[in-house]
Amino acid sequence: DAMVIQNPRYQVTQFGKPVTLSCSQTLNHNVMYWYQQKSSQAPKLLFHYYDKDFNNEADTPDNFQSRRPNTSFCFLDIRSPGLGDAAMYLCATSRDYRAEPQHFGDGTRLSIL
Amino acid sequence: SQQGEEDPQALSIQEGENATMNCSYKTSINNLQWYRQNSGRGLVHLILIRSNEREKHSGRLRVTLDTSKKSSSLLITASRAADTASYFCATDNTGNQFYFGTGTSLTVIP
Repeated sequence: DAMVIQNPRYQVTQFGKPVTLSCSQTLNHNVMYWYQQKSSQAPKLLFHYYDKDFNNEADTPDNFQSRRPNTSFCFLDIRSPGLGDAAMYLCATSRDYRAEPQHFGDGTRLSIL
Repeated sequence: SQQGEEDPQALSIQEGENATMNCSYKTSINNLQWYRQNSGRGLVHLILIRSNEREKHSGRLRVTLDTSKKSSSLLITASRAADTASYFCATDNTGNQFYFGTGTSLTVIP
């Protein structure tokens, strides 16, 4: 089945130690998104790619970076995780930006020790 | 907050009853979407309604949109235990921004 896959499902890292989360898609969608979702809160958009064009939300911390080496894969890098970065990170895709349903992976839950 | 506000925050009903949740937003939109999220999982798209539409149906789901009041509602009819989840509205506004609402946690009691 075509889908959005996030690895790993659970990630534990140490305070200040860089961590990378990965997302892959078999939908061949143009747009890939990264969201941060803290407990009992709404998902918050961090950034998105339209093909190779990168779009950063204005309030996304500089500590968060992203790479999209090809259509299928997208990575979220957290350069120096702080305790406040503990959250669920969700990847999503859509065929086009706006007015299209987004397809989500099941997320990576990040814990910071 | 630039997010939509959902009401109620939590809703508990008996199986077979209808569930209604509301979403209010602040700025003009191009479209509004509803998503479901089961505990510990990703979000699942339910319905997209465009700003020039007033009502949309999909199976047991009915969504209305009132752009004059900047509000939308999601009705789930004949609820089932499997409908237990959090429900989020998401607005795509004319300022090129996309925000999820605060969500409604629905519990359907068998």
